[in-house]
Amino acid sequence: NAGVTQTPKFRVLKTGQSMTLLCAQDMNHEYMYWYRQDPGMGLRLIHYSVGEGTTAKGEVPDGYNVSRLKKQNFLLGLESAAPSQTSVYFCASSYVRYEQYFGPGTRLTVT
Amino acid sequence: AQTVTQSQPEMSVQEAETVTLSCTYDTSESDYYLFWYKQPPSRQMILVIRQEAYKQQNATENRFSVNFQKAAKSFSLKISDSQLGDAAMYFCAYRDNDMRFGAGTRLTVKP
Repeated sequence: NAGVTQTPKFRVLKTGQSMTLLCAQDMNHEYMYWYRQDPGMGLRLIHYSVGEGTTAKGEVPDGYNVSRLKKQNFLLGLESAAPSQTSVYFCASSYVRYEQYFGPGTRLTVT
Repeated sequence: AQTVTQSQPEMSVQEAETVTLSCTYDTSESDYYLFWYKQPPSRQMILVIRQEAYKQQNATENRFSVNFQKAAKSFSLKISDSQLGDAAMYFCAYRDNDMRFGAGTRLTVKP
């Protein structure tokens, strides 16, 4: 099993550009999450999904959109990137409320 | 909103010694989970240990154990016989319906 995978691993964007981060899991987990990690702030939840076709806002949702069209995939979109969105993004999945399994992260730089 | 506080930004331990990392949390819930995650320089988030709030017995995983004090809302991690490979950022996390992370403690292991 690959677990949780993220594409791409690195990306540099110019302000105003858009992009989509892809998360895939092969553990048949219902719940999936997107976090951002900034220095000194731990991980903060952006959006999450409790099942195919559902999404919900987390702690810091502004500037991001998500979609869960298939159970195994969770997409994070940035429609108009801003320098404040420079961060490391982590996807995670879990079986309901148990521990979360994380992907390797995506380092995004917005110039 | 639930908050998780890790009061030690950095800790240091001598190889083979024992170190304790502190974590406190704030919640009005009675049913929740607590976790410690390790993040080495590779950036991968690795689950170290899990504690269910309804269990009075402290969780242990080999050299890792917790001191869970529900009334005090405290959840510390003890690492025994510290090894060089234990050097990492350690994050405490709280979960009921969503997940909240502390800001992390950077652990250095001295040979």
